[in-house]
Order: sequence, then C-alpha cells, then structure tokens
Amino acid sequence: AQTVTQSQPEMSVQEAETVTLSCTYDTSESDYYLFWYKQPPSRQMILVIRQEAYKQQNATENRFSVNFQKAAKSFSLKISDSQLGDAAMYFCAYRTELIGTSYDKVIFGPGTSLSVIP
Amino acid sequence: GAVVSQHPSWVICKSGTSVKIECRSLDFQATTMFWYRQFPKQSLMLMATSNEGSKATYEQGVEKDKFLINHASLTLSTLTVTSAHPEDSSFYICSASGTSGTPSSYEQYFGPGTRLTVT
Repeated sequence: AQTVTQSQPEMSVQEAETVTLSCTYDTSESDYYLFWYKQPPSRQMILVIRQEAYKQQNATENRFSVNFQKAAKSFSLKISDSQLGDAAMYFCAYRTELIGTSYDKVIFGPGTSLSVIP
Repeated sequence: GAVVSQHPSWVICKSGTSVKIECRSLDFQATTMFWYRQFPKQSLMLMATSNEGSKATYEQGVEKDKFLINHASLTLSTLTVTSAHPEDSSFYICSASGTSGTPSSYEQYFGPGTRLTVT
C-alpha cells in the first residue's frame, strides 16, 4: 500500500523569504502522480503544483517549485518570496497510475501548517 | 472551468437519522469521484472511490453499509450517512476527476466540503 509522510507538522517563514516543505512517499508503482495542495481556513482545497512521475523535470508554478527525487521517493515543495497569503495547511498527495479503475486512489500526507511572519 | 459543488455545505441531524450529501461536477464529466473525511486539524482520509456506473471501492475500515455512495451519472455522486451517530460528525469533502472537459485527466477538483454535525 502507498503511504505519504510529511515530517514537519509546523513550519514558519519570514515574509519574502524562502521555505521548503518536505514530503516522502512509499510505493511499488513506477508511474504515479504527486501533488501539493493548500488548505486555507475556508477548508477549500487548492492545487499548488503537480508532478507526473515519468517526467524528470521538476514542476514549477510561479513562486512554487518542487524537488522531485524519484529514486529517493521524495517530493519537496519550495515557496519563494513567501507572502502572508501563503499561510495555510499544505498537504502532499499521491495518486496511483490506475486512474479510472477500482484501484484508483489518492493518499494524503498528514500535512504541514505554514505560518508566515510579517 | 472544472468546478465541483457540494450540497449542503452544513447540515445538522439527529442521531439515528440519515443524511445525503451531493457532489456535482458543473462543467465537466467526472468519471471518477472521491469521498474524503477530515477531522479538525487532521488530513484528508480517503473513504471511497467511485467510478460512474460502478460500485464504489471502499477503503479498509470504512463501513459500506453506513456510508452509501452512488455515482449514477457523470456529473453527480452522493454520499448517504445512514443511521448517523455523533461520532460521524466530521467534514466531508468530495473531489472529481475526468477525461473530458478538464485540463488534465489525473488532476482532481475539490468541492467546498460539507460540515456534518450529529446531535
């Protein structure tokens, strides 16, 4: 079974600085999909960034980038130029390659609460 | 695009009654829908995966007779909590994934969630 681990329950960063959130996962699949989601107090899940495992190039979305190390099963999120609006819970998630089948599933990590200090 | 709605957003029911939560994809065909449960300050726990026209696949430990999931069309899935008890009080979130009308086939689009309180 797949598992997702986030070893940092809480993190804080100074406004305009850079912070990295860690995520590791375990799987026997060779192809899969990885995501970082943000959940603000409204509890609406917001996609931050996604990565296909078959792509070696790390995904980037504006101030957000990932360091995807497939062999190490590591998928960290870097937030540059942190803003007050970045404060939220961040979840790392894994989706199986078996999309659309009865084996399809998404596994979430326990989350990291990010605070941004003005 | 790729909007998912959930109804109701908040429901209070008495112990022993049943409550139904609807999840709709508004502008795309959702071939797969996921149902999650989230307790305060915790992560999302996958309850079940449903594919349109098929029986839902429940995660281990989730009572399928208590949490009835129906995915009868490509735009609607429902979760019915039967004979609800206070311990069923939680935040329930649905998400939808599709191959038609969405930017990617593997991304899931989330509803805003439903807060269930059982008294």
